[in-house]
Amino acid sequence: GDSVTQMEGPVTLSEEAFLTINCTYTATGYPSLFWYVQYPGEGLQLLLKATKADDKGSNKGFEATYRKETTSFHLEKGSVQVSDSAVYFCVLNNAGNMLTFGGGTRLMVKP
Amino acid sequence: DTAVSQTPKYLVTQMGNDKSIKCEQNLGHDTMYWYKQDSKKFLKIMFSYNNKELIINETVPNRFSPKSPDKAHLNLHINSLELGDSAVYFCASSQPGHSYEQYFGPGTRLTVT
Repeated sequence: GDSVTQMEGPVTLSEEAFLTINCTYTATGYPSLFWYVQYPGEGLQLLLKATKADDKGSNKGFEATYRKETTSFHLEKGSVQVSDSAVYFCVLNNAGNMLTFGGGTRLMVKP
Repeated sequence: DTAVSQTPKYLVTQMGNDKSIKCEQNLGHDTMYWYKQDSKKFLKIMFSYNNKELIINETVPNRFSPKSPDKAHLNLHINSLELGDSAVYFCASSQPGHSYEQYFGPGTRLTVT
């Protein structure tokens, strides 16, 4: 079956540091890929998405590129802020109603 | 305007009790879901309804019974609560064909004592 693997956290960075959260997936066919973010005490929000190979999703300074050759969808941001502290989920959808979630990566940004 | 809302936000109850969590979406979506998030933040789908009909029912104890009175509402009733039911429960909705992105509610933190 489909699966998503993302780096374990927590990831602790200082403000303005560069962020990478690795995500790789296993799936048949041509899935859509997402990053969701969960701020403390809140539900999940869609951060960005890519629906086909080589697409780049971007939002709020975050980017991720759908790499079919390496089955990856790494999340990056050039300069993180304290307000980016949250749990980030890499998620896959393979043309159905079910999402496959990675285990989540907690990001802590210190001033 | 709240897109997906859940009530209550917090629920503390004793083992053996029966409780319900309500979910409503005003997005006009056809499909709604219930997820369980454990203490390690791992998310697991429990149920999915499409236009009031059950389409996904993962391995969930039959103490959990979803009910969808209309396509905008999906409630979760839990009988004979156990300590292991303590978790955060999220409702979500989506519209088929829209790249399957899902919109999540704020969650209900259930604590069973």
